[in-house]
Amino acid sequence: RKEVEQDPGPFNVPEGATVAFNCTYSNSASQSFFWYRQDCRKEPKLLMSVYSSGNEDGRFTAQLNRASQYISLLIRDSKLSDSATYLCVVNQYSSASKIIFGSGTRLSIRP
Amino acid sequence: DAGITQSPRYKITETGRQVTLMCHQTWSHSYMFWYRQDLGHGLRLIYYSAAADITDKGEVPDGYVVSRSKTENFPLTLESATRSQTSVYFCATRTSGAGTGELFFGEGSRLTVL
Repeated sequence: RKEVEQDPGPFNVPEGATVAFNCTYSNSASQSFFWYRQDCRKEPKLLMSVYSSGNEDGRFTAQLNRASQYISLLIRDSKLSDSATYLCVVNQYSSASKIIFGSGTRLSIRP
Repeated sequence: DAGITQSPRYKITETGRQVTLMCHQTWSHSYMFWYRQDLGHGLRLIYYSAAADITDKGEVPDGYVVSRSKTENFPLTLESATRSQTSVYFCATRTSGAGTGELFFGEGSRLTVL
């Protein structure tokens, strides 16, 4: 079983739709959580950190459920420019070597 | 301010050849990382460095060598390239080793081993 698992998609949704992704992690000692965005053939870039109380950044909302060991990303009013792969990232313990990436969920927004 | 630059961006080599991928940062971030990205595997850590002259293995270090004589440079060497090392390699930096610090990635080096 992978330490961090994501549905690979692709999710194909119309512009303006709301879409949600989940990511599960296996190690309960995980301490910090992130969503990164990666455009085709580009480098990953931080989209947002995920805090225990949940957090929002414009149209994006991230949630953490420690009991069930998953994090989620909700995108409201999706735009064509949201088309990308979304990577779930989990930092286990307090170690630089334990930054674990999910394989990514591909999102395609259609006009 | 370029941030992180990787070179070469594209490289084709043959099995058994030595290849060095360069990574240079202008921020003086303490931590530097090398990841490889393959379909179905996500990004996997090869090596990382907490500071100059301090390096440590990640998840998939076999067949790779790193050094960090200066804070700003973190080259990755494939001593004898194999086809399984065909991949996209990303260098990244972070101000700290853990916690909530953001990882900043270079544009990637696409390596093909024939």
